[in-house]
Amino acid sequence: SQQGEEDPQALSIQEGENATMNCSYKTSINNLQWYRQNSGRGLVHLILIRSNEREKHSGRLRVTLDTSKKSSSLLITASRAADTASYFCATVLPEGKLIFGQGTELSVKP
Amino acid sequence: DAGVIQSPRHEVTEMGQEVTLRCKPISGHNSLFWYRQTMMRGLELLIYFNNNVPIDDSGMPEDRFSAKMPNASFSTLKIQPSEPRDSAVYFCASSGTGAGGGTQHFGDGTRLSIL
Repeated sequence: SQQGEEDPQALSIQEGENATMNCSYKTSINNLQWYRQNSGRGLVHLILIRSNEREKHSGRLRVTLDTSKKSSSLLITASRAADTASYFCATVLPEGKLIFGQGTELSVKP
Repeated sequence: DAGVIQSPRHEVTEMGQEVTLRCKPISGHNSLFWYRQTMMRGLELLIYFNNNVPIDDSGMPEDRFSAKMPNASFSTLKIQPSEPRDSAVYFCASSGTGAGGGTQHFGDGTRLSIL
């Protein structure tokens, strides 16, 4: 069964707007990672946040982690058409396995 | 540097045939992962290797599936006999920091269709 659940399943915004995606999980984690997948391609790692961190930034990406609520969010600021892709959170279990959520399909319209 | 290389990119075959998917991980990475992606079930971990040794194969769906890693630069995932429900995109990923939560680098996948 899937560890992570993401919402929304799909998000459509205009270029320049911010996009927020959320991920919830069920058990203890070592860290949480976000990946991006363009159509027909493999997943690409975006950012990792450790269980003892609350917020992390990388360029236009901002990730938060709330371990008490077992949730994380990914914010993409000033979105571009090239950000159109599916975004997945992956929870890293103590034994080291990555469990991926079902993903959020983001469409950024020019 | 070359990323994770998978072959073939596409495979169409008839039910009952043997299918072999291949993966070359990034040089120097010591962990390798095989995933399957479908619309219904999302991205599922099938098996992973650390230093060429299978560590966890609990995700392998049936005995029809087998995976090997004869050396640090090559792995195969074999399905024999194949069935239509095996149709999916199969990804290989490698990591340089073991399975302890390091970031994974994915190949572009093999799109498998079983008729």
